[in-house]
Amino acid sequence: NAGVTQTPKFQVLKTGQSMTLQCAQDMNHNSMYWYRQDPGMGLRLIYYSASEGTTDKGEVPNGYNVSRLNKREFSLRLESAAPSQTSVYFCASVNTRGDEKLFFGSGTQLSVL
Amino acid sequence: QKEVEQDPGPLSVPEGAIVSLNCTYSNSAFQYFMWYRQYSRKGPELLMYTYSSGNKEDGRFTAQVDKSSKYISLFIRDSQPSDSATYLCAMSGGGFKTIFGAGTRLFVKA
Repeated sequence: NAGVTQTPKFQVLKTGQSMTLQCAQDMNHNSMYWYRQDPGMGLRLIYYSASEGTTDKGEVPNGYNVSRLNKREFSLRLESAAPSQTSVYFCASVNTRGDEKLFFGSGTQLSVL
Repeated sequence: QKEVEQDPGPLSVPEGAIVSLNCTYSNSAFQYFMWYRQYSRKGPELLMYTYSSGNKEDGRFTAQVDKSSKYISLFIRDSQPSDSATYLCAMSGGGFKTIFGAGTRLFVKA
């Protein structure tokens, strides 16, 4: 009964380093999302994948890339981390368009020094 | 102006109180209205889901949507310390871009 699994849970990077956040869901959902959560800003959409093989930009895509590896997995990559990317990152999935019920992972707390 | 406005609180109430949480929005295209609950250091979890206008009740929780006023509410009856969390309102027009409020932190004191 895992749902949405994110790794790692915590990460500290230096400015300019790269890393990939991993996300996998076992609910056979079609759509997957990456959000970031900052104090006072709520959750903001970075990228989403409506279905396997497609990805689209959200509200704050700059500095990020994504890969929908297969139906289960959706990764988020920071090519050159910046302090402004210090945040908590959440992956989410939803069954299909028209079903707006998002299922979230437990988050990755990222600090960029 | 943000599409969704939510008072961040914090809101502190005694155990057993009725809690009212609210959001306003500006986009008349929103059709789906959700409330998520988020405990500290956890991911949000869906608490209530409403399509279009009206009320929905689930146990101690009641969600209300007033599209004419662009105003949604979540009521918690007989609040418990275990209800202490951040409550996020969220809305969607049916596409892939759900918009979230900033969240209201609620503390229920025993």
